Amino acid sequence: GAVVSQHPSWVICKSGTSVKIECRSLDFQATTMFWYRQFPKQSLMLMATSNEGSKATYEQGVEKDKFLINHASLTLSTLTVTSAHPEDSSFYICSAASSLVRVYNEQFFGPGTRLTVL
Amino acid sequence: DAKTTQPPSMDCAEGRAANLPCNHSTISGNEYVYWYRQIHSQGPQYIIHGLKNNETNEMASLIITEDRKSSTLILPHATLRDTAVYYCIVRVVDGANNLFFGTGTRLTVIP
Repeated sequence: GAVVSQHPSWVICKSGTSVKIECRSLDFQATTMFWYRQFPKQSLMLMATSNEGSKATYEQGVEKDKFLINHASLTLSTLTVTSAHPEDSSFYICSAASSLVRVYNEQFFGPGTRLTVL
Repeated sequence: DAKTTQPPSMDCAEGRAANLPCNHSTISGNEYVYWYRQIHSQGPQYIIHGLKNNETNEMASLIITEDRKSSTLILPHATLRDTAVYYCIVRVVDGANNLFFGTGTRLTVIP
């Protein structure tokens, strides 16, 4: 299957700082990338969907000014958590899909990034 | 996307078959049944999917009832590394569509 990487795998930051998480599709061109968030003992919740070259579509309740998503190329999307607070501490997971190469129209998931805000 | 219902947890002895059920009584004709799993602190991993026929791959088998209102994921010889949360998702096949993860079934494989 296709490989999706995330960087960093974990990050600890102080309250009020901004954190950028990168999601890369390593061996295919991702026309769509998804960002999920997962709190402890809970399921994944979709935050936003981004298509290359266009603005992201955010799910209800997700602040677009706080969670900045950039999908500038077919292999890279970034999520920036601005002015992070302890309640933003979570496991952030990206996935990538491609309408160019239909591999069962699958989403391929990254390994996740654990964010801890002190 | 149709909702799914799964038992919250199951245990399985190592080496035995693990049968994970999923109810999706409101599934529509163009929706597929997908299974993913998530090992602790990792991203979800695709397992298998099907429309109406039973499917098998190197990881698992998927049995879908004739009326398509339920399905069972079968891990034929469970190992300790199969301990994970298993998610059953029904969706139309379109790479642009996001996946709605329910609560899943936490499978614990016991030595």
